[in-house]
Amino acid sequence: QVQLVESGGGLVKPGGALRLSCAASGFTFSDYYMNWIRQAPGKGLEWVSCISSSGNLIYYADSVKGRFTISRDNAKNSLYLQMNSLRAEDTAVYYCARPPAGYSKHFQLWGQGTLVTVSS
Amino acid sequence: DIQMTQSPSSLSASIGDRVTITCRASQSSSTYLNWYQHIPGKAPKLLIHAASSLESGVPSRFSGSGSGTEFTLTISNLQPEDFATYYCQQSYSTPLTFGGGTKVEIK
Repeated sequence: QVQLVESGGGLVKPGGALRLSCAASGFTFSDYYMNWIRQAPGKGLEWVSCISSSGNLIYYADSVKGRFTISRDNAKNSLYLQMNSLRAEDTAVYYCARPPAGYSKHFQLWGQGTLVTVSS
Repeated sequence: DIQMTQSPSSLSASIGDRVTITCRASQSSSTYLNWYQHIPGKAPKLLIHAASSLESGVPSRFSGSGSGTEFTLTISNLQPEDFATYYCQQSYSTPLTFGGGTKVEIK
């Protein structure tokens, strides 16, 4: 079954850290760029980061640059987001998402999301 | 960065209505424009890519048009399952950006 399953969300204090994971199955993970996208409560969708199929190209939204690190392990079919120096405004549901073809920049396959809450 | 502006931010419509949502880009995104449907509690769903290409399995009552800086999503013959929030997204350049969303509600 072609799917993405996120995990690792939870409650964390401001300034804290959290690592999200996204497990891919049913397709050749190493063929695709992968993305993290988030939705804050009551807000719209916000693209967070993208990593190329081999991991050598990485892009971030300005809002997370220098605090978040995207990575992947193609042997484990897994995508990660290390989130440091978390702020209240990082509270959101975080989705991993895959394009329909290797390096396309739109999102055909999405996970169900994992909730990150940053609060004291 | 390319800013995406959707209008309206919300609308009320009845079953069977024709609905049009507009998305404007702050600079040309050619036809690198995509539309998603998002129902609360579910993963967003890609409806249209490249401004007008309907995704496989998406009903033909959904259509997209436009190029450059102005795009539209049209839903003809609105169905109960279409009540959701719709987002446009430009894939012309990073950072990839979404519009603010249009919530389609039942009148």
